[in-house]
Amino acid sequence: EPEVTQTPSHQVTQMGQEVILRCVPISNHLYFYWYRQILGQKVEFLVSFYNNEISEKSEIFDDQFSVERPDGSNFTLKIRSTKLEDSAMYFCASYSFAGDYGYTFGSGTRLTVV
Amino acid sequence: QKEVEQNSGPLSVPEGAIASLNCTYSDRVSQSFFWYRQYSGKSPELIMSIYSNGDKEDGRFTAQLNKASQYVSLLIRDSQPSDSATYLCAVKDSGNTPLVFGKGTRLSVIA
Repeated sequence: EPEVTQTPSHQVTQMGQEVILRCVPISNHLYFYWYRQILGQKVEFLVSFYNNEISEKSEIFDDQFSVERPDGSNFTLKIRSTKLEDSAMYFCASYSFAGDYGYTFGSGTRLTVV
Repeated sequence: QKEVEQNSGPLSVPEGAIASLNCTYSDRVSQSFFWYRQYSGKSPELIMSIYSNGDKEDGRFTAQLNKASQYVSLLIRDSQPSDSATYLCAVKDSGNTPLVFGKGTRLSVIA
């Protein structure tokens, strides 16, 4: 079964540093998303990406965040000047109109800001 | 602001029983409804999707949708200890709009 792959699985970074989270979506999917889940809280939408541009973003996705698809396979989330409250699980998801219309989530990156 | 509400639980059921999980949503234009299972520290895993009023069955799982009441439910028959997880309800509008998640209901199946 096709998978969404995320790396790294766990990232520890110092406050103020920049991190890049990586995702390889399912190859024939066209829509890509980043979500985050702070421990004990709900899964929250950050941003959606289609045709090499942001299609929608939430209030959380401010100037500290950026997304990029640098090549034909990778989809990255960059977080600049990390804060303690950025500590969370970050999930990448991809979506296709074919099949069951559900979003397929990657295994996630646990980001810990110290 | 779209809201999806779930009872956080925990919902405890004995092995072999039926577990009933409920979800309400605020936005009447929502068109697609999903149940995800999430084990602790893991990513959401799609269990069921439902788009029309009524019931949809897949193995031990039945999703029920009532758009007039803005209510979605998930029944798990013959519950197993391996079903112990948090169940997330998610809704979306048409097209590639993002999913909006509830906080989830924690289910504990007691052997």
